[in-house]
Amino acid sequence: KNEVEQSPQNLTAQEGEFITINCSYSVGISALHWLQQHPGGGIVSLFMLSSGKKKHGRLIATINIQEKHSSLHITASHPRDSAVYICAAPNFGNEKLTFGTGTRLTIIP
Amino acid sequence: DAGVIQSPRHEVTEMGQEVTLRCKPISGHDYLFWYRQTMMRGLELLIYFNNNVPIDDSGMPEDRFSAKMPNASFSTLKIQPSEPRDSAVYFCASTWGGPSRNTIYFGEGSWLTVV
Repeated sequence: KNEVEQSPQNLTAQEGEFITINCSYSVGISALHWLQQHPGGGIVSLFMLSSGKKKHGRLIATINIQEKHSSLHITASHPRDSAVYICAAPNFGNEKLTFGTGTRLTIIP
Repeated sequence: DAGVIQSPRHEVTEMGQEVTLRCKPISGHDYLFWYRQTMMRGLELLIYFNNNVPIDDSGMPEDRFSAKMPNASFSTLKIQPSEPRDSAVYFCASTWGGPSRNTIYFGEGSWLTVV
């Protein structure tokens, strides 16, 4: 089973700040997922990446396969970015995802 | 496509009653997953299907839980009899080729409260 760790667990920042959330995993993988969940809401897939970097609007995800590490960045953060961000990695040899414990992000206006 | 569709969105039931949760995956997706989310345990995989066949049900808590996928566009998760500790959000998700290859799409969740 892949062990997935996220940091920080909680993050509070002022509107406009640059945000970084980190994720590390123990087993080599083919892809890593970043998910977003607003309070009381459903789960939305932000990125699935297997190498390099992906960008969508103000969100950027990077992955370093050799170092088994991924980061999610938010530029010009906004209160609507307040949510829990979860990284997830597949286990080796099957399609089961191991989820990180999540990072609770709060952006203060 | 409308995305992964789950029903009911919210259900409150009494202990001992049967609960059936339903899921319609995205058309063309060959993998379907049932997850449970609680404050204490986070997201847990209950069972997943590939091409309508159950592949791994090791996360199903006990015999009170059962899941079926009679065809590519429909799956059910049944709890009989329900207990208060089953109160959680149940998510259905689907993907093509598996999450090791492609994006996984989640439904809005079914919020279950057993009293």
